[in-house]
Amino acid sequence: DAKTTQPPSMDCAEGRAANLPCNHSTISGNEYVYWYRQIHSQGPQYIIHGLKNNETNEMASLIITEDRKSSTLILPHATLRDTAVYYCIVTTPTDSWGKLQFGAGTQVVVTP
Amino acid sequence: NAGVTQTPKFRILKIGQSMTLQCTQDMNHNYMYWYRQDPGMGLKLIYYSVGAGITDKGEVPNGYNVSRSTTEDFPLRLELAAPSQTSVYFCASTDAGVYGYTFGSGTRLTVV
Repeated sequence: DAKTTQPPSMDCAEGRAANLPCNHSTISGNEYVYWYRQIHSQGPQYIIHGLKNNETNEMASLIITEDRKSSTLILPHATLRDTAVYYCIVTTPTDSWGKLQFGAGTQVVVTP
Repeated sequence: NAGVTQTPKFRILKIGQSMTLQCTQDMNHNYMYWYRQDPGMGLKLIYYSVGAGITDKGEVPNGYNVSRSTTEDFPLRLELAAPSQTSVYFCASTDAGVYGYTFGSGTRLTVV
């Protein structure tokens, strides 16, 4: 699986959009970009995933560059409950059993 | 629909004791996983299973055993507990399609 690079931490004001970058310059054609988050002491939570096109769901939006070498997770209106570690993972879904590798992620702190 | 259920939530073991961490999912997922997370670190894969009767080692399998007799259950066995096994253990499952993993809430284990 391709490796990802994320900033170790970032702050965001409550009510503002949080834009979380992720670099994955070695991504291959059949690899998806997944985002998970882990709120303190809880199990990781799936947020969103995408292959080429931008994706949106009730939690977030995912913007993938045209060359697919980087992506941005957008939390449109951050709340205090969005404070968590966010993980960007690149993997091939059908091969992903056992290969979901979590790096250090980005610690996001949402402040009032 | 309970998702992935882990028991117990907390446990203190003495060195050399044994225990089984229970994991049950009610989503009829074929793929199940055990991860451990040491303080301040990412998740590491211990064992995984792609279906009933099939298990395989992950990144850090030493000191652990698993079995998968049913689709729903994937218990993790610690035979001779060591302080190095002090960690938070997460169980996860997926249908191995395009969608993400569902994680349990974790078992916090301390070996003294």
